[in-house]
Amino acid sequence: DVKVTQSSRYLVKRTGEKVFLECVQDMDHENMFWYRQDPGLGLRLIYFSYDVKMKEKGDIPEGYSVSREKKERFSLILESASTNQTSMYLCASSLVEGGYTFGSGTRLTVV
Amino acid sequence: KNQVEQSPQSLIILEGKNCTLQCNYTVSPFSNLRWYKQDTGRGPVSLTIMTFSENTKSNGRYTATLDADTKQSSLHITASQLSDSASYICVVSPMDNYGQNFVFGPGTRLSVLP
Repeated sequence: DVKVTQSSRYLVKRTGEKVFLECVQDMDHENMFWYRQDPGLGLRLIYFSYDVKMKEKGDIPEGYSVSREKKERFSLILESASTNQTSMYLCASSLVEGGYTFGSGTRLTVV
Repeated sequence: KNQVEQSPQSLIILEGKNCTLQCNYTVSPFSNLRWYKQDTGRGPVSLTIMTFSENTKSNGRYTATLDADTKQSSLHITASQLSDSASYICVVSPMDNYGQNFVFGPGTRLSVLP
């Protein structure tokens, strides 16, 4: 089975800190995604990448950036964390024609 | 605009009972429709996937149905167990989608009580 691993289950950061969320997948998937999930809003796409060094903005990219230097790794960066970025962050990967496999999620709290 | 709606928003049932969750979508044309189960604090896990030509797909006690004419899908859970308590998310993939633009429903929160 494909495994998508997110480096942290829980994170607490201070306002203004730079935050890195790491995601690694082990099945050579082309596509990788970062979502945030908030109560009542469902899953919202932040950024996705369809190849190494390629990235595309999703629905809510403001305040975030991403990096994909290697095919298996997709990082989400919060340049200056704010309290409204407190959320559950989910990484996913997929083949071009297939559905998602999700990571377990990172619960980020910005204080 | 492509949208996916789910109902009810939340549902409470007793252990052993059956239940049905609904998904309505406006994505057209679409390639496939998936149901995911998401336990609290975890990432979603795929339960079923159906292409536009399929009407039903089962995975153990979970049975998904699809009516492409009315753009409706349902997820039926039989003989519910406490471990079924989770959020269930309907996800539709548009046609000509290079795996990059899935449309997510808001989810139905199911609580199974003893």
